[in-house]
Amino acid sequence: KAGVTQTPRYLIKTRGQQVTLSCSPISGHRSVSWYQQTPGQGLQFLFEYFSETQRNKGNFPGRFSGRQFSNSRSEMNVSTLELGDSALYLCASSWGTGRGGELFFGEGSRLTVL
Amino acid sequence: AQRVTQPEKLLSVFKGAPVELKCNYSYSGSPELFWYVQYSRQRLQLLLRHISRESIKGFTADLNKGETSFHLKKPFAQEEDSAMYYCALSPSQAGTALIFGKGTTLSVSS
Repeated sequence: KAGVTQTPRYLIKTRGQQVTLSCSPISGHRSVSWYQQTPGQGLQFLFEYFSETQRNKGNFPGRFSGRQFSNSRSEMNVSTLELGDSALYLCASSWGTGRGGELFFGEGSRLTVL
Repeated sequence: AQRVTQPEKLLSVFKGAPVELKCNYSYSGSPELFWYVQYSRQRLQLLLRHISRESIKGFTADLNKGETSFHLKKPFAQEEDSAMYYCALSPSQAGTALIFGKGTTLSVSS
């Protein structure tokens, strides 16, 4: 079956702009989580959605938001972009939202902020 | 504070040598720990989790609560083991959220 799909794969924005990233989970998976990966901070949890509800949120400013649709697809949005938002944004899906479940990762969306 | 530490950025070994990738965690509750791996040009994927107590691709990891460690071991490294390895902790009440270590690059040469 198809893996987690993220679009776009690469994008370049300028400071102050906003960006929306999309994630299509594996068919049947209802949980989608997002991570930011940077060379300095590594992989950091942004948020998790399950059945269109945000279940958990990481320690990121309110400029970072997300949502999940009824078909489990998810989007994340970053408003008022800053240079430090340049990163690889990874989406992961899992069947449920229980602790210990295996996460299936996408290839990521690489955001560059100029 | 909840934290995962992987003290080595890079570990270089020869083929056939034993491998131990170190992982230490800081967590006050009952931990659930994982190893994820990313091979070149592939996605991040689960290698093993401590609750399964399984051996995957010859790798094992034992949770040592006294030393708060979850080191990944393999008796004989293969060149195809070369990859980036991440140790991760699942806090309770946090759903599928994971706290990742910074990762260790394993390089196996012949």
